[in-house]
Amino acid sequence: GEEVAQTPKHLVRGEGQKAKLYCAPIKGHSYVFWYQQVLKNEFKFLISFQNENVFDETGMPKERFSAKCLPNSPCSLEIQATKLEDSAVYFCASSQIREQYFGPGTRLTVT
Amino acid sequence: DQQVKQNSPSLSVQEGRISILNCDYTNSMFDYFLWYKKYPAEGPTFLISISSIKDKNEDGRFTVFLNKSAKHLSLHIVPSQPGDSAVYFCAARETDSWGKFQFGAGTQVVVTP
Repeated sequence: GEEVAQTPKHLVRGEGQKAKLYCAPIKGHSYVFWYQQVLKNEFKFLISFQNENVFDETGMPKERFSAKCLPNSPCSLEIQATKLEDSAVYFCASSQIREQYFGPGTRLTVT
Repeated sequence: DQQVKQNSPSLSVQEGRISILNCDYTNSMFDYFLWYKKYPAEGPTFLISISSIKDKNEDGRFTVFLNKSAKHLSLHIVPSQPGDSAVYFCAARETDSWGKFQFGAGTQVVVTP
């Protein structure tokens, strides 16, 4: 498609539950990025992919966060055993050359 | 450690006037900079970018200026329009760190009639 699609729009999880977020990049874009925005503050880089390969994962809290981009499937970001501090809007972006095009975000609320 | 700083959380400007948004950075390895615009409940929209080999880039009403020695960039919007009311984010990337952008905290712009 011509836009980055993210699902679901909103996700509510009890503390300790698993959360899984999905991202469909723009068709033809080879790179996918995940960012976390807490309380309308700056975007925190989490991880990037080049096709299905992890490109840069230096922002990922590895203990509970994992991500995948498999061929012919939406990319996913999974949080095991969510904590209150994981409440944020998670943005996915895709890119082919330089500029990143963002999806509308998934708002995760951990209660 | 916040490497990209937007020190003005908000800016109010009259329609038709110039909006000037500022962004400072601390990392001398940054070589590519972007500005994004964000409306509530939407993802950021790419506006304009500049490479460190340039000091100015223009696209319609938007101009970005880069002062490498001062580690400062600015976005000028002329003339400002009501639809420009949004949060503007500055982002920067290191050489050889393709795709990993550091974002500022954003500046809320309100364009008044």
